Amino acid sequence: EVQLVESGGGLVQPGGSLRLSCTASGFTFSIYSMNWVRQAPGKGLEWLSYISSAGGVTIYYADSVKGRFTISRDDADNSLYLQMNSLRAEDTAVYYCARGVGYCSGGSCHNWFDPWGQGTLVTVSS
Amino acid sequence: EIAMTQSPATLSVSPGERATLSCRASQSVSSNLAWYQQKPGQAPRLLVYGASTRATGVSARFSGSGSGTEFTLTISSLQSEDFAVYYCQQYNNWPPYTFGQGTKLEIK
Repeated sequence: EVQLVESGGGLVQPGGSLRLSCTASGFTFSIYSMNWVRQAPGKGLEWLSYISSAGGVTIYYADSVKGRFTISRDDADNSLYLQMNSLRAEDTAVYYCARGVGYCSGGSCHNWFDPWGQGTLVTVSS
Repeated sequence: EIAMTQSPATLSVSPGERATLSCRASQSVSSNLAWYQQKPGQAPRLLVYGASTRATGVSARFSGSGSGTEFTLTISSLQSEDFAVYYCQQYNNWPPYTFGQGTKLEIK
């Protein structure tokens, strides 16, 4: 069974740091790109970060987290990470990891997200 | 950045009836559009990709259509398990990937 399991969420003070993990199973992790997406309480989905397959040479961030969050992966351990620094109250959300699935054409790749992990809650509050 | 707009925000439909959800992109995304279903307390689940291709295991009651800037998700003969929030996502021009704000499908 293809599965993603996040961990590492919790309560952290404003300005603090947290490291989220996402452990993959049931598929060859190294050949897929991966993403982090979050959902603030009662709100919609916000894409945060992308890392390419096989070592993660290509990385992108949403403007809202650029310079504060760092995505990484360990293909030997089938794991994805999100290091979150300088956390703010508005970072309070459920954080999901999601596998990128799709195709490449004409030099561009187009990926939808499947599956998603169950999510881990991050609460930033004093 | 491509903005995705879903309508309506809330849709009230009786079980057994058909629901039609709309998603509009601020510029063409070709057919690079996905739909997700999210139930309370659960992660999003992929329903449709490529605007009209159902994901593995998704009921044939779900059908997607459209291209360019206008897209529709149709759910025929609504079942109790279909009442949820639905999101569209474009993956044509990225980063960033962008989602619509969601349509809540509720029981009438």
